[in-house]
Amino acid sequence: NAGVTQTPKFQVLKTGQSMTLQCAQDMNHEYMSWYRQDPGMGLRLIHYSVGAGITDQGEVPNGYNVSRSTTEDFPLRLLSAAPSQTSVYFCASSSRGQKNQPQHFGDGTRLSIL
Amino acid sequence: RKEVEQDPGPFNVPEGATVAFNCTYSNSASQSFFWYRQDCRKEPKLLMSVYSSGNEDGRFTAQLNRASQYISLLIRDSKLSDSATYLCVVNPYSGGGADGLTFGKGTHLIIQP
Repeated sequence: NAGVTQTPKFQVLKTGQSMTLQCAQDMNHEYMSWYRQDPGMGLRLIHYSVGAGITDQGEVPNGYNVSRSTTEDFPLRLLSAAPSQTSVYFCASSSRGQKNQPQHFGDGTRLSIL
Repeated sequence: RKEVEQDPGPFNVPEGATVAFNCTYSNSASQSFFWYRQDCRKEPKLLMSVYSSGNEDGRFTAQLNRASQYISLLIRDSKLSDSATYLCVVNPYSGGGADGLTFGKGTHLIIQP
C-alpha cells in the first residue's frame, strides 16, 4: 500500500534553476495539495486541487506552478528557484467524504537552493 | 487570518506521567478537528480526529470545546515513543479539501526516562 509517494527525497538546486517535484497517490483521492514546512512557520499551503483538471492557489503560491492532468498525479514546479524556497515540501491527498477526512502525507522532499 | 494557536513547548515529561496540551482556533465556524503527530524530519501522520463529544483512542483522549474554541489532547501513561511534535489541525469546511485547512505550529513533547 504505497499511499502518497514523493520524489525526489532530497534535491539541491542553484538559484535560477527549475525543477519538478513529483507526487503520486494510489488511493483514488479527489483532493491533493502541496505544503511547505519551514522552522517556526508550520505547514503552509502552496497549491491544491479538488480533482483532475482543477487547481487553485493556497497561502503561498508565488514561484510555484501545479497541474492535475490525472487523479493520481500532482506535480509541483519551481519555475526559477530562489533561496527563499529552501524548505521541506509535503504532498498530501484526502478523500472528498463528509466530515473528518484527514490528509495523508507523503514523506517529503527536502529542497535546498544555493 | 484564520489561526490556530499552540504552545510550542517543549514539554519535558517523565515517562509514565500524564500530559495535556491545548490548541485554540479563531474560526468559530470550523467543522473538523484533528491531532497529527510529526516525528523529527518525518511527515505528519494522523493521530486522531476530534469529535464533538470527545473521543478516546487507547492512552490518548481528545476533547473539543466549541464555546471556548479550543481542542485538547491528553496522553496518559506516557511512553518514550510518544516524544514528537503534535500538530493541531482545524478545517472550516466539512469535506476533505485542503483549502482553509489550518495547521498549528505544533507542540514539542519530550518524554524523559
